[in-house]
Amino acid sequence: AQSVTQLDSQVPVFEEAPVELRCNYSSSVSVYLFWYVQYPNQGLQLLLKYLSGSTLVKGINGFEAEFNKSQTSFHLRKPSVHISDTAEYFCAGILTGGGNKLSFGTGTQLKVEL
Amino acid sequence: DAGITQSPRHKVTETGTPVTLRCHQTENHRYMYWYRQDPGHGLRLIHYSYGVKDTDKGEVSDGYSVSRSKTEDFLLTLESATSSQTSVYFCAISPSGDRGYTFGSGTRLTVV
Repeated sequence: AQSVTQLDSQVPVFEEAPVELRCNYSSSVSVYLFWYVQYPNQGLQLLLKYLSGSTLVKGINGFEAEFNKSQTSFHLRKPSVHISDTAEYFCAGILTGGGNKLSFGTGTQLKVEL
Repeated sequence: DAGITQSPRHKVTETGTPVTLRCHQTENHRYMYWYRQDPGHGLRLIHYSYGVKDTDKGEVSDGYSVSRSKTEDFLLTLESATSSQTSVYFCAISPSGDRGYTFGSGTRLTVV
């Protein structure tokens, strides 16, 4: 079973509209959760992370995510997207069982249109 | 990131040949990881290291080996390259593993 599931492979949205990218995690993942962004032909850049404390986490570029333990979700949101937000977004979580291994979802391609 | 570099950036090789990819860090981080990225699969862990000469397998380790003789270098070797190993390979580093990783820029490997 997938440890981290991203429910949408592609999300098209118009510029200045809000967006939510969905992520759910399984019991094989600890509560250390992350969102990464990958721009074309580049490596992965950390957007934000949840380690403990407040369930609403703010990251770079105006993104935020909410940790919801009861729904085992860690959805990413932005109230108003820009063309430059077009990229692939990956949700990830640290697997339980040692090794501090990061397990990734399959990614969501966000395409912002005019 | 300046603290982690991968080489080469691009490589084309023939089926059956051995290939070694290098990851070099200047951050003195304990943990180093090799992932491969393929469409529809996200990133999948190949091998990782939690110290010099301490390595372990990830979920897609078949056909790959690694070595870490120094803190700063983590080598990934494809013992006999196959077309299914055509992929983009990313190295990542972390001081403690559980606080997130820093990724390199990737190596695009094509096996023909």
